[in-house]
Amino acid sequence: GNSVTQMEGPVTLSEEAFLTINCTYTATGYPSLFWYVQYPGEGLQLLLKATKADDKGSNKGFEATYRKETTSFHLEKGSVQVSDSAVYFCALSEGSSASKIIFGSGTRLSIRP
Amino acid sequence: NAGVTQTPKFQVLKTGQSMTLQCAQDMNHEYMSWYRQDPGMGLRLIHYSVGAGITDQGEVPNGYNVSRSTTEDFPLRLLSAAPSQTSVYFCASSYDRAYQETQYFGPGTRLLVL
Repeated sequence: GNSVTQMEGPVTLSEEAFLTINCTYTATGYPSLFWYVQYPGEGLQLLLKATKADDKGSNKGFEATYRKETTSFHLEKGSVQVSDSAVYFCALSEGSSASKIIFGSGTRLSIRP
Repeated sequence: NAGVTQTPKFQVLKTGQSMTLQCAQDMNHEYMSWYRQDPGMGLRLIHYSVGAGITDQGEVPNGYNVSRSTTEDFPLRLLSAAPSQTSVYFCASSYDRAYQETQYFGPGTRLLVL
């Protein structure tokens, strides 16, 4: 079945460091891919998405490119801030917009001042 | 708008007790869902509803019941709590099922079953 694998955390970086959180997926067909962020004490929020191969999703300085050849959707940010400390979830949905969303296990990111 | 609200924030139960987790939204969303979040496992769908009077099972429905008598409310009932139901529970809503990716999530209920 479809699945999402994320790098295990926690990830701890200093402010202004470069961030990469790896995500790979297994899916039949052509899924849409997402990154969600969960700030402390809050529910998940959609951070960015990509719906087809080679699409790049971006938001708040974060980017991820849909790589069909490597089945990956790695999250990157050039210069992280303390306010980026959160848990990040990679997710996919199948081709149909009414299909369920499958979440990865989440990666906790902590940024030191 | 309050968005998606959940009560309680935290609950401790003994094995065999029952309880209801409340979820409400004030955005007139048709689609609502319940997830549980466990360490190392991401979010798993328990039950969902595509509108008032309509509910269906998700990935892990056993031990839980839901109902949707109004558009606003979608309570989750634990019939006889078990330690395996210790988890963080999130309720979410979206305009309809086709917009699941932009679901609004509540802040969660942390449940501990002893």
